[in-house]
Amino acid sequence: AQKITQTQPGMFVQEKEAVTLDCTYDTSDQSYGLFWYKQPSSGEMIFLIYQGSYDEQNATEGRYSLNFQKARKSANLVISASQLGDSAMYFCAMSDPAGGTSYGKLTFGQGTILTVHP
Amino acid sequence: DSGVTQTPKHLITATGQRVTLRCSPRSGDLSVYWYQQSLDQGLQFLIQYYNGEERAKGNILERFSAQQFPDLHSELNLSSLELGDSALYFCASSAKIRVSYNEQFFGPGTRLTVL
Repeated sequence: AQKITQTQPGMFVQEKEAVTLDCTYDTSDQSYGLFWYKQPSSGEMIFLIYQGSYDEQNATEGRYSLNFQKARKSANLVISASQLGDSAMYFCAMSDPAGGTSYGKLTFGQGTILTVHP
Repeated sequence: DSGVTQTPKHLITATGQRVTLRCSPRSGDLSVYWYQQSLDQGLQFLIQYYNGEERAKGNILERFSAQQFPDLHSELNLSSLELGDSALYFCASSAKIRVSYNEQFFGPGTRLTVL
């Protein structure tokens, strides 16, 4: 079974600073995907970034980058130059192989609430 | 806007009742996933359909059922509702099944309140 752990219930960051949100995972699969989603107070789930287990380079999407350390089973999200609009809940998630028994369902961590201070 | 639509946005009902949540995936997406988000359980996978067929089941109660229709929209039916069923229910869709991952686009959710 897959498991995602986010150990930071809440994080605070000053506007324009960088912040790292932690995520560790556990799986016996060799092939998997790691995702980060943002959930603002309005409730929608917004896809941010993806990392495949066989990708050698860390994924980047604009101000978001994923620090993937496979041996440590960690997939931390780094947000550079934080903005007030980044204040939200952030979820780390994992997908098993789409060809596996769960057809790509996402397993989520408990989330981290990020608050950006002006 | 993810392209996934869910109706209704809010639903308030009483214990023991039955409700139906509707989801329309992004155009062309064959796969639909249902998730439940509650304060005590977090975000949990319920069930997945691919092109009309059930493919995977998660922590879905027997009182809950779902289906995907030929036009690919999906409905989640919740019956004999209990207070603990109050949650935000998400539908997500994805284009195709890949080997390594399956990017999913989420709808805005249906917030269910059981009184």
